[in-house]
Amino acid sequence: AQSVTQLGSHVSVSEGALVLLRCNYSSSVPPYLFWYVQYPNQGLQLLLKYTTGATLVKGINGFEAEFKKSETSFHLTKPSAHMSDAAEYFCAVRAKAGTALIFGKGTTLSVSS
Amino acid sequence: DTAVSQTPKYLVTQMGNDKSIKCEQNLGHDTMYWYKQDSKKFLKIMFSYNNKELIINETVPNRFSPKSPDKAHLNLHINSLELGDSAVYFCASSQGQGNTEAFFGQGTRLTVV
Repeated sequence: AQSVTQLGSHVSVSEGALVLLRCNYSSSVPPYLFWYVQYPNQGLQLLLKYTTGATLVKGINGFEAEFKKSETSFHLTKPSAHMSDAAEYFCAVRAKAGTALIFGKGTTLSVSS
Repeated sequence: DTAVSQTPKYLVTQMGNDKSIKCEQNLGHDTMYWYKQDSKKFLKIMFSYNNKELIINETVPNRFSPKSPDKAHLNLHINSLELGDSAVYFCASSQGQGNTEAFFGQGTRLTVV
């Protein structure tokens, strides 16, 4: 069965600092991996996804993630945090066609000035 | 133009009542989903429909019944509401079920009192 583990339920950074949100997955087949962001009282918005090909994926708002098969990881990074990045971030996996996205428990990102 | 729209956005009701949440997508997608987000923000898949056919039915009380009149609509009916049903319910859609992302609605916050 597929699953996602997000290490750290809460990450705090200063404005301008590096953002690193960790995601590890478990899947018996090559997975499709996604990062979503959720702002308060809103739905989920796709940040980026990995399907095949280049393992470094660039997304919206300056975020990127790297798929590392050997480490079963798909960590999300942003070189310089902005106050507007404060939100809930979810990593998700879909192992194969016919299955739904399986989400991690989320990481709350706080950004201080 | 809202891609995935849910109504109502907020729903407050008493225990034992029956209520419905409606979802419509104008993206031309063939697959729709219902997710439940609990108070700890954990997102769990409930149902998935592909071209009006039920393809995913997770362990959900049979008080919850999805209905898909056409591939652009997926409604959720809940009978005999219980306090534990209080959550945010998200509708989502995708084209296919493989490497494509899901697009989410704004959510329906259900409060059972």
